[in-house]
Amino acid sequence: DAMVIQNPRYQVTQFGKPVTLSCSQTLNHNVMYWYQQKSSQAPKLLFHYYDKDFNNEADTPDNFQSRRPNTSFCFLDIRSPGLGDAAMYLCATSDRDRGYEPQHFGDGTRLSIL
Amino acid sequence: QKEVEQNSGPLSVPEGAIASLNCTYSDRGSQSFFWYRQYSGKSPELIMSIYSNGDKEDGRFTAQLNKASQYVSLLIRDSQPSDSATYLCAVTAGNTGKLIFGQGTTLQVKP
Repeated sequence: DAMVIQNPRYQVTQFGKPVTLSCSQTLNHNVMYWYQQKSSQAPKLLFHYYDKDFNNEADTPDNFQSRRPNTSFCFLDIRSPGLGDAAMYLCATSDRDRGYEPQHFGDGTRLSIL
Repeated sequence: QKEVEQNSGPLSVPEGAIASLNCTYSDRGSQSFFWYRQYSGKSPELIMSIYSNGDKEDGRFTAQLNKASQYVSLLIRDSQPSDSATYLCAVTAGNTGKLIFGQGTTLQVKP
């Protein structure tokens, strides 16, 4: 089945130790999104790619970076995780050429900071 | 500041009843409207999308959209305990495709 796959499902890292989260998709969608969701809060958009065009939200901390080496893969890099970065990180995709059909989410990566 | 407002609940209904979830949004330029279901610790799952005024039915779910009133609702008929979850209303920011999410309404269906 076509889908959005996030790895790992659970990630534990130490305070200040860089971490990378991975997202891949078989939907061939041209837009990929990264969201942060903390407990009992709405998902918060961090950034998105339209093809290789990177779009950062104004309030996304500089500590968060992203890479999209090809259509299928997108990575979220947290350079120096702080305790406040513990959250669920969600990757989603959509197809802009089909009028932004609904975003399809992966299962998420739960990030814990020690 | 573009906003999507939902009552956080919890909304508690007995099994077999109709659950009514409501959402208002501030961006008149929004074109697309979605309801996602999210179980605790899981990612959001799309259950309904609606793009034009009126009702859209899919099984036990009916989405209603009123752009003049900037109002979206979701009705769940014959509610089941498995429907217990948080329901997120999401609307597109203008024509950008970016989603603005509400805080979510927690639904509890009691057997």
